[in-house]
Amino acid sequence: GESVGLHLPTLSVQEGDNSIINCAYSNSASDYFIWYKQESGKGPQFIIDIRSNMDKRQGQRVTVLLNKTVKHLSLQIAATQPGDSAVYFCAETIRPPSGGSYIPTFGRGTSLIVHP
Amino acid sequence: DGGITQSPKYLFRKEGQNVTLSCEQNLNHDAMYWYRQDPGQGLRLIYYSQIVNDFQKGDIAEGYSVSREKKESFPLTVTSAQKNPTAFYLCASRFSGLYNEQFFGPGTRLTVL
Repeated sequence: GESVGLHLPTLSVQEGDNSIINCAYSNSASDYFIWYKQESGKGPQFIIDIRSNMDKRQGQRVTVLLNKTVKHLSLQIAATQPGDSAVYFCAETIRPPSGGSYIPTFGRGTSLIVHP
Repeated sequence: DGGITQSPKYLFRKEGQNVTLSCEQNLNHDAMYWYRQDPGQGLRLIYYSQIVNDFQKGDIAEGYSVSREKKESFPLTVTSAQKNPTAFYLCASRFSGLYNEQFFGPGTRLTVL
C-alpha cells in the first residue's frame, strides 16, 4: 500500500486475481477522496471517488473503502487484467475552514503490475 | 470533443532559457492547476487558479510563473531560475466546489539539455 508522502510501492498480481491498493491519508478533516489511474507517459484518469460520509462505494470492477477512524482508504480491483497495470494515486481534498480554494493533495502512488 | 490539452508533448530546453507550456480546456471549468511529477514520485502543486486573472502559489512555485487571462487557458512558464526543471508537467482543471474531480491533460515532458 502507500501513504501520502512516502516512496512508491509496487504490487504484483496474476491476471484474474483481486487487487487491493491501500492509502493512508494525512488529514482527519479531509472530506472527499479520489482514486486516479496513471498509465506510463499519460495524465492521471479518474477511477472512483468517495465522500467522507460514506464507508464504501462501488463502480465497475472497483470498490473504494474508507475507514475514517484510522484514516485509511483502499481501492479493490476485481478480476485484475493486464490493462489495469498502472500507477494508482489517492487524493484527499479538504474543505477550508474559512472559505477559499479546495486543493487536492496527492500521495506518491502505488505501481500495480499485472502478470498474464 | 471536450477535454483538456497540453502542448507540446515533449520539450527540450537549453540551460538559461525560459520556456512556456500550454494548457487549454473547453470543459468550462473554473479552476486550473499545474503539477510537477518526477520519476517514482507523486504530483506536486506548482500553481493554481480559481478564477480568471487570479492565481496562487502551490508548494513548489519558485522558478515558475503563470497567467490566467482567459478561463480556458493557463500557461506555465519555466524560468531560468528553476534549477532542476527536467520533469513531467501535468495540467488539470475542475469545477469549483468540493465534490468535483480533476481532469488531467496528457502532460508535457520537459528536458533540459
